[in-house]
Amino acid sequence: QVQLQESGPGLVKPSETLSLTCAVSGYSISSGYYWSWIRQPPGKGLECIGSIYHSGITYYNPSLRSRVTISVDTSKNQFSLKLSSVTAADTAVHYCARVFSPHDGFDIWGQGTLVTVSS
Amino acid sequence: SYELTQPPSVSVSPGQTASISCSGDKLGGKFVSWYQQKPGQSPVLVIYQNDKRPSGIPERFSGSTAGNTATLTISGTQAMDEADYYCQAWDSSTHWVFGGGTKLTVL
Repeated sequence: QVQLQESGPGLVKPSETLSLTCAVSGYSISSGYYWSWIRQPPGKGLECIGSIYHSGITYYNPSLRSRVTISVDTSKNQFSLKLSSVTAADTAVHYCARVFSPHDGFDIWGQGTLVTVSS
Repeated sequence: SYELTQPPSVSVSPGQTASISCSGDKLGGKFVSWYQQKPGQSPVLVIYQNDKRPSGIPERFSGSTAGNTATLTISGTQAMDEADYYCQAWDSSTHWVFGGGTKLTVL
């Protein structure tokens, strides 16, 4: 079955760049779907950071656009997130997920990884 | 930016029907999805395209839309349904947007 697995540092210093990777198994990224990053601050709700289509087209949350880069590596069947100039407000559980189209729901989610921004 | 509004909490007695609302501008013209999230777990898709259930989701979960409001209905609510529920829709400017979430308590 399709599985997504996030990986990356659990602690990032303020003003530095948060970097995460999502490894996809059981499905080829280049075959379709939008591949997304969603975050959830402790005790709060969900926020979509952005998505990348298998062709490489990206969609970023306007509130984060200036700091976000999402990229895909089809040779490794994985996609990545970079969020620059982080502050404590960026502390959150980060999930990767997939969605077939803008009209569908996120059907597969990773287990999530907590990234804490602290010096 | 586009926003979806949900009540912070809803309570229901076991066996009764729970209804969770989600409102947004022109929401009736969009496709709405719903997610269930239990503590310490990743969200699970329970409704997509307003009223479709993914494979494996019990029939007691249903969705509907009317005007600017979407509703998730859980019939015959069970203790295992106690969780946070999020609505989500897509907007051309904000892209994928989530509601603030509703905590469902089964008393």
